[in-house]
Amino acid sequence: DSGVTQTPKHLITATGQRVTLRCSPRSGDLSVYWYQQSLDQGLQFLIHYYNGEERAKGNILERFSAQQFPDLHSELNLSSLELGDSALYFCASSALIRGGGGTEAFFGQGTRLTVV
Amino acid sequence: SQKIEQNSEALNIQEGKTATLTCNYTNYSPAYLQWYRQDPGRGPVFLLLIRENEKEKRKERLKVTFDTTLKQSLFHITASQPADSATYLCALDILTGGGNKLTFGTGTQLKVEL
Repeated sequence: DSGVTQTPKHLITATGQRVTLRCSPRSGDLSVYWYQQSLDQGLQFLIHYYNGEERAKGNILERFSAQQFPDLHSELNLSSLELGDSALYFCASSALIRGGGGTEAFFGQGTRLTVV
Repeated sequence: SQKIEQNSEALNIQEGKTATLTCNYTNYSPAYLQWYRQDPGRGPVFLLLIRENEKEKRKERLKVTFDTTLKQSLFHITASQPADSATYLCALDILTGGGNKLTFGTGTQLKVEL
């Protein structure tokens, strides 16, 4: 168990709809990352939040948005869903590695989104 | 363009042998390079991190090398076991003004056979 909790585990919805994925990071971790993993694209970085502020952005679609709340949990909002948005969505939180820098990311179990 | 390339074909090896996985990257200058293991339907699990000024890092049966001139990392699993069968991902930790992008390769699937 990584200590990162994602809900829901599975989500089936229709095209055009909007969904919200939720992530609770490990206790004490200030950073939250969101990734999308589909069979043909691998693990794609979407966005990084640190202590409530957006810090880095990947190829995140305009239809997608995220935020991190004061209690450090994060939500990823996906709107106007298309069939191609079907994927596993992972959240990760990170901790600094002692002695020299770098971070270790702890991943949740993911939310499997199916758009029909 | 920026790329992180890992062997796209699965690697099959016999139990007890050393598995060697490759990660090559272009147009990146990562501060750190990481390796993760991912089992089907589960999130990646951190294995090792190596810094840009380090050549080699070891942890139990795992060894990672990092050549910033060649822009390549090699990941070795010695005395491999069937339980090592999984997909292995390399990731570049790229610092970007206040944040960092942990950018992953597509992974190499390793199968260790009896």
